[in-house]
Amino acid sequence: AQSVTQLGSHVSVSEGALVLLRCNYSSSVPPYLFWYVQYPNQGLQLLLKYTTGATLVKGINGFEAEFKKSETSFHLTKPSAHMSDAAEYFCAVSDRVGGAQKLVFGQGTRLTINP
Amino acid sequence: DGGITQSPKYLFRKEGQNVTLSCEQNLNHDAMYWYRQDPGQGLRLIYYSQIVNDFQKGDIAEGYSVSREKKESFPLTVTSAQKNPTAFYLCASRTGGTTDFGSGTRLTVV
Repeated sequence: AQSVTQLGSHVSVSEGALVLLRCNYSSSVPPYLFWYVQYPNQGLQLLLKYTTGATLVKGINGFEAEFKKSETSFHLTKPSAHMSDAAEYFCAVSDRVGGAQKLVFGQGTRLTINP
Repeated sequence: DGGITQSPKYLFRKEGQNVTLSCEQNLNHDAMYWYRQDPGQGLRLIYYSQIVNDFQKGDIAEGYSVSREKKESFPLTVTSAQKNPTAFYLCASRTGGTTDFGSGTRLTVV
């Protein structure tokens, strides 16, 4: 079965600083990888996804992530943090069980932006 | 606008009561899912359904039940057998490689 590990349950950066949220996965097959963002008491919004092809994936709100097979990583970055980026971020891998696809999530990383 | 509607947004349950959380989608998606979210634990899969009249248990199905009588609807019942039901519940649906989420229902046991 696939699994996802997000390193750091809380990350705090200053406004304008680099954002780096770490995600490592385990998968026995080429993975489909996702990053979602969640604002308080809301659902999850897709930031970006990797399926095949280019390993550097650009998403919404200036975020991007790079798939590194050798490191089994899919870290999320943004060059300059904005106050509106404060939220919880989830990395996920798509798992196929008995012909059905489902998402397996990491534990989440809460991002705080300091003014 | 197409989307996933969960209701109610907040729900309070007394000990020993069954409650049903609603999930409706107008995206014409075949697959639907229920996840439970607890602080620090990410999202855990409760039940999922690939097609109408068919559903499978996820990782934490005990104390929950579902039905899928219509493509658009996938209600979740939290039964009295669920010993710790206080959580945030998220419904999702999928087509192709993308999964969309509703805005969630926060269930509290009082």
